[in-house]
Amino acid sequence: GIQVEQSPPDLILQEGANSTLRCNFSDSVNNLQWFHQNPWGQLINLFYIPSGTKQNGRLSATTVATERYSLLYISSSQTTDSGVYFCAVSGAGSYQLTFGKGTKLSVIP
Amino acid sequence: SQTIHQWPATLVQPVGSPLSLECTVEGTSNPNLYWYRQAAGRGLQLLFYSVGIGQISSEVPQNLSASRPQDRQFILSSKKLLLSDSGFYLCAYQPRPYPNIQYFGAGTRLSVL
Repeated sequence: GIQVEQSPPDLILQEGANSTLRCNFSDSVNNLQWFHQNPWGQLINLFYIPSGTKQNGRLSATTVATERYSLLYISSSQTTDSGVYFCAVSGAGSYQLTFGKGTKLSVIP
Repeated sequence: SQTIHQWPATLVQPVGSPLSLECTVEGTSNPNLYWYRQAAGRGLQLLFYSVGIGQISSEVPQNLSASRPQDRQFILSSKKLLLSDSGFYLCAYQPRPYPNIQYFGAGTRLSVL
């Protein structure tokens, strides 16, 4: 099956700083989603982005499908951005999402 | 609008007891449904998925089973819980035919003692 690697595994930022999270995947995909897991465990959909670039407020994401990676940008980070960010993908002909191990982000005031 | 409900939010059960977790979806018909487990706060593992009533696929052989008695209802069960069944269980749905996006419920935190 598809392998998903996320980096870095842990990231500590000062409030107001910018960051880039990376997701590498081993095969072509028909679905790529970024999630934020909050301290209560809820998985919040951030982006559905199998290719291209999207922006939503301070967050943006880019997927370069031909090179098999996706990037999540967080600008002007806030303490509420803390949590674990997951990248998840599914391959052609499959509905099943394979998750990376996540990046744990801590934003300190 | 579409919503997903999962309950209970928290559950503490003794070893050897049965388990039933329920998930229901509103606002969409014939969704794909999924059960995931998350252990130790990281990494989600797909347990079961269903593309229709009575159609269940298992990804990991284990002490758990799943059923889909109605179009928008997905149940995770066990006859006898093990300590290793502890974890955070998440239900998800994927509306059809489009978009190809999974949406997650709030999860159930299960502790087996």
